[in-house]
Amino acid sequence: SAVISQKPSRDICQRGTSLTIQCQVDSQVTMMFWYRQQPGQSLTLIATANQGSEATYESGFVIDKFPISRPNLTFSTLTVSNMSPEDSSIYLCSVKVHRDTEAFFGQGTRLTVV
Amino acid sequence: QQQVKQSPQSLIVQKGGISIINCAYENTAFDYFPWYQQFPGKGPALLIAIRPDVSEKKEGRFTISFNKSAKQFSLHIMDSQPGDSATYFCAASKNTGNQFYFGTGTSLTVIP
Repeated sequence: SAVISQKPSRDICQRGTSLTIQCQVDSQVTMMFWYRQQPGQSLTLIATANQGSEATYESGFVIDKFPISRPNLTFSTLTVSNMSPEDSSIYLCSVKVHRDTEAFFGQGTRLTVV
Repeated sequence: QQQVKQSPQSLIVQKGGISIINCAYENTAFDYFPWYQQFPGKGPALLIAIRPDVSEKKEGRFTISFNKSAKQFSLHIMDSQPGDSATYFCAASKNTGNQFYFGTGTSLTVIP
């Protein structure tokens, strides 16, 4: 298993600003992902965080809006840039220890943009 | 396009009753089907998962039934308890792929 610590747990931000969310895992993991869960909605994959290289983004998500870093096998950050109220959502970090194992989720970051 | 369709959206069950949540998928390349349980303010936690080589998997009060030909799978919660009240998500993925495709979620309320 993997224990995921995600910071901050929640934040209220002004529109036009940026927020960086951190994801720290207690062990080395093969794969790290970032999901968005809009209020009352399902989870949507934003991107796969790749160690030492650019993240792989899903359709509808772009690097300029959601820059992602992954400097090592236990840590990743997601930045939500130039925020608007439509970015209000829960952002979740997820990891897979190995490619063919289950996915674990952090507790999420609840972002409100005002 | 929703890769995994989940129903019902919400479910109210009496304590001790059986809760049943259904999911359907289209992509026959999917080969891993987990169910996640999410409490308010928490991230989803894996509850139980199945691969298509078996038709049923049981862990305690939780059972997944899998129908490969119909491309459907369901979660059964036996002897439902108020502590089971949560949102449940089904998901599907390809073993060789990265992405989990989640259903839209079912809000379960178990009434004492």
